[in-house]
Amino acid sequence: ETGVTQTPRHLVMGMTNKKSLKCEQHLGHNAMYWYKQSAKKPLELMFVYSLEERVENNSVPSRFSPECPNSSHLFLHLHTLQPEDSALYLCASSQDPLQRRTDTQYFGPGTRLTVL
Amino acid sequence: KNQVEQSPQSLIILEGKNCTLQCNYTVSPFSNLRWYKQDTGRGPVSLTIMTFSENTKSNGRYTATLDADTKQSSLHITASQLSDSASYICVDYGNNRLAFGKGNQVVVIP
Repeated sequence: ETGVTQTPRHLVMGMTNKKSLKCEQHLGHNAMYWYKQSAKKPLELMFVYSLEERVENNSVPSRFSPECPNSSHLFLHLHTLQPEDSALYLCASSQDPLQRRTDTQYFGPGTRLTVL
Repeated sequence: KNQVEQSPQSLIILEGKNCTLQCNYTVSPFSNLRWYKQDTGRGPVSLTIMTFSENTKSNGRYTATLDADTKQSSLHITASQLSDSASYICVDYGNNRLAFGKGNQVVVIP
């Protein structure tokens, strides 16, 4: 399988549940990202990992906890979410964390999350 | 106020016709300007990336232009096809950060 894959594609959870989103990239990239996409809003960058080290955390609530065990895998652990957290969560990867000015990001298909 | 503004928010065009999408950005200093296409239910896919020194770049039927003086970019779609129905997102990379627009929603009808 090529590119960036995400599982699950759809997730419905209650506010007291704990779940995890998984992302895997097959492109040999060194940087991975989590984005949140809400309806009629711009993409919001949540976290950036470079060579498994978190290099950016954009004031994301602690109920979202990222994990990057290696350069190919990225997780987003979810717990005690709120209904306003319902959104499309996109994973992306790039060769370097935007250090090269024309570095392209490759996105996965996203996980559609609904919090009840 | 978002640093990247796109217009129109949405438009409907007939198959075979051309259309132009607009993007105004304010992020400074500027490094590059990107256009992505996002099909429904999928992640964005890069169409073009333009640096400060480039004022036009093409990718098939998609042509992006950049005016760094006025901080404006446009994406022109030539001879639209049904598969062009998507959201087109303008992204400004500057000051070591990406700033995303809300997207232009394009619907191509037969």
